[in-house]
Amino acid sequence: AQKVTQAQTEISVVEKEDVTLDCVYETRDTTYYLFWYKQPPSGELVFLIRRNSFDEQNEISGRYSWNFQKSTSSFNFTITASQVVDSAVYFCALSEKDYGGSQGNLIFGKGTKLSVKP
Amino acid sequence: NAGVTQTPKFQVLKTGQSMTLQCAQDMNHEYMSWYRQDPGMGLRLIHYSVGAGITDQGEVPNGYNVSRSTTEDFPLRLLSAAPSQTSVYFCASSYSGRGPLEWEKLFFGSGTQLSVL
Repeated sequence: AQKVTQAQTEISVVEKEDVTLDCVYETRDTTYYLFWYKQPPSGELVFLIRRNSFDEQNEISGRYSWNFQKSTSSFNFTITASQVVDSAVYFCALSEKDYGGSQGNLIFGKGTKLSVKP
Repeated sequence: NAGVTQTPKFQVLKTGQSMTLQCAQDMNHEYMSWYRQDPGMGLRLIHYSVGAGITDQGEVPNGYNVSRSTTEDFPLRLLSAAPSQTSVYFCASSYSGRGPLEWEKLFFGSGTQLSVL
């Protein structure tokens, strides 16, 4: 069965600390996509990244970086030098063809609430 | 550049009432879907559509109906609201729900907060 686990329910850090949000997924499909979304206090969902199952290269975008390891079925997200504006709920999600026959359908983790204190 | 528009933003219903949550996109996207977000549960898929005239159930479809008569619109109907349907509802769309997603992503609306008393 498809599943996304974000074991960290809440994380609190002080500004400028680095923080890693964990994401572990389960799938039997060989072709799948992994996503991270940010939900700030305003409530909208902000797309951060999408990776496919064939590309295990790590990615860096400014202070954000993602580590994808198929061997451990993990897709972890690190924020370097965190800022107060990073405070949000972060969701990891999985998309695979077998879930309802559409790769547009996402399976979300329960989210990790990150609080960055000044 | 409207993207995905959801209306209303807030709604309070009494148990047993019916209502329709509206979702419209102006990007000519084939794929549209509805999710609900409950505290501590993440987002769960209710219904989705891969094109006009085609709909299917997601993970939590009970109590909800959808139809897709046009490419632009994908309304979600609550036939007889229950307190368990108190949630935040998100509509999403993408160019296509089929084939590789290398060149597309899912666009979300801003959400509808629904309370059923």
